Amino acid sequence: GIQVEQSPPDLILQEGANSTLRCNFSDSVNNLQWFHQNPWGQLINLFYIPSGTKQNGRLSATTVATERYSLLYISSSQTTDSGVYFCAVRGGTNAGKSTFGDGTTLTVKP
Amino acid sequence: NAGVTQTPKFRILKIGQSMTLQCAQDMNHNYMYWYRQDPGMGLKLIYYSVGAGITDKGEVPNGYNVSRSTTEDFPLRLELAAPSQTSVYFCASSPGESYNSPLHFGNGTRLTVT
Repeated sequence: GIQVEQSPPDLILQEGANSTLRCNFSDSVNNLQWFHQNPWGQLINLFYIPSGTKQNGRLSATTVATERYSLLYISSSQTTDSGVYFCAVRGGTNAGKSTFGDGTTLTVKP
Repeated sequence: NAGVTQTPKFRILKIGQSMTLQCAQDMNHNYMYWYRQDPGMGLKLIYYSVGAGITDKGEVPNGYNVSRSTTEDFPLRLELAAPSQTSVYFCASSPGESYNSPLHFGNGTRLTVT
């Protein structure tokens, strides 16, 4: 099946700093999403972005499907951005399954 | 729309007991999924369904069973609970396989087996 790798595994920032999270995948995809898992364990959908670039406030994402990666940008980070960020993809030989990366744990310090 | 609803929110089971985790969606989505998330880890696919009457195994199906008799419901059955099944279980749905088909998640069920 399709493999998903996220980097870095852990990231510690001071409030106000910018960051870039990366998601690499091993096959062509027809769905890609970025999620934020908050401290209560809820999975919050940030972006649905199988290709191209999207922006939502301080967050933006870019997927380059031909090169098999996606980037999530967080600007002017806030303590409420802390949590785990997951990339999930669907595609390859079994497009019915969605596969998650292991996530990036972000800690934003005040 | 309520979206994806999971019940119960929390449950403690003794080893060898059985239970059913419920999942319902009101978005008329064809695809539904069950994932488990162990502490500090990502989500692993247990089972999924592409429509009523059709189910298939994911990465970690052992110890679980599913059924999909209606479009709305996708229950997950644990027959003989083991400590290794202590985890948070998430149900998700999506319209289908093609583009513009994002995943929608429920809030999870936290299960402890002792």
